[in-house]
Amino acid sequence: EPEVTQTPSHQVTQMGQEVILRCVPISNHLYFYWYRQILGQKVEFLVSFYNNEISEKSEIFDDQFSVERPDGSNFTLKIRSTKLEDSAMYFCASNKIDRGSEQYFGPGTRLTVT
Amino acid sequence: EDQVTQSPEALRLQEGESSSLNCSYTVSGLRGLFWYRQDPGKGPEFLFTLYSAGEEKEKERLKATLTKKESFLHITAPKPEDSATYLCAAGAFGNEKLTFGTGTRLTIIP
Repeated sequence: EPEVTQTPSHQVTQMGQEVILRCVPISNHLYFYWYRQILGQKVEFLVSFYNNEISEKSEIFDDQFSVERPDGSNFTLKIRSTKLEDSAMYFCASNKIDRGSEQYFGPGTRLTVT
Repeated sequence: EDQVTQSPEALRLQEGESSSLNCSYTVSGLRGLFWYRQDPGKGPEFLFTLYSAGEEKEKERLKATLTKKESFLHITAPKPEDSATYLCAAGAFGNEKLTFGTGTRLTIIP
C-alpha cells in the first residue's frame, strides 16, 4: 500500500540554524500539507500546497517557513532560522484530487532545537 | 473559529469492555469529520471519514457515527492492540486544513 515517507526521522539543530524537512507524498496525490505537533499538544495545520503554490497557510506559518516541490516526488519544509519553540513533530500529509477526501500522514520528523 | 473537543482525555478499559469516545465539533459548514489513530511517536493513521449526520462507518471492532454536533467512536470488545490515541479532526468547506482535537488516549488492559 502506498505511503507518505519523511526524512529524517529525527533532526537536532542549534537555535538560528536552517533546517529542511523532506517528504515524499503518495504518487497520485495532488494536494500536500504540513502539520506540526508540539509534545503533548494538538496536531496543528501549517500549510497546504497545490499546483506548485501555497493554497492556504496558518498564522504559525510566518516568513521563517517556506515550502517547495523541487521535483516530481519531493515536498520540503524549510525553517530559515530555528527557534526553541519550533521543537515539535512535523508531519507531511497528502490527498487525492478531491480536497474533501481524507489526508494520509507520514511518520513524522522529530525536530529538536537546542 | 473551528473547534474540536474530545472526551475523555484518557480511558482505561479491560479487554472485552466496550465503550465510546466523544468528539464535539463547531465548524462553519462541515465538509468531513475524520477519525485517526496515532501510536506513540508515529503519524496519524486514517480510520474513517463521515460526511453527513446519521452516517455510520465500521471497521473491525470500531464504529464511527455522526450527528450535527458530535461524532462517536464506539469500540466493541477491544483488544490490547487497540491501545492508542484516537484523534478526531474536522474539515470545513472553504478551506483545506483539518482542525484536530487533543485526542483520547485509550489503554486496553489484558
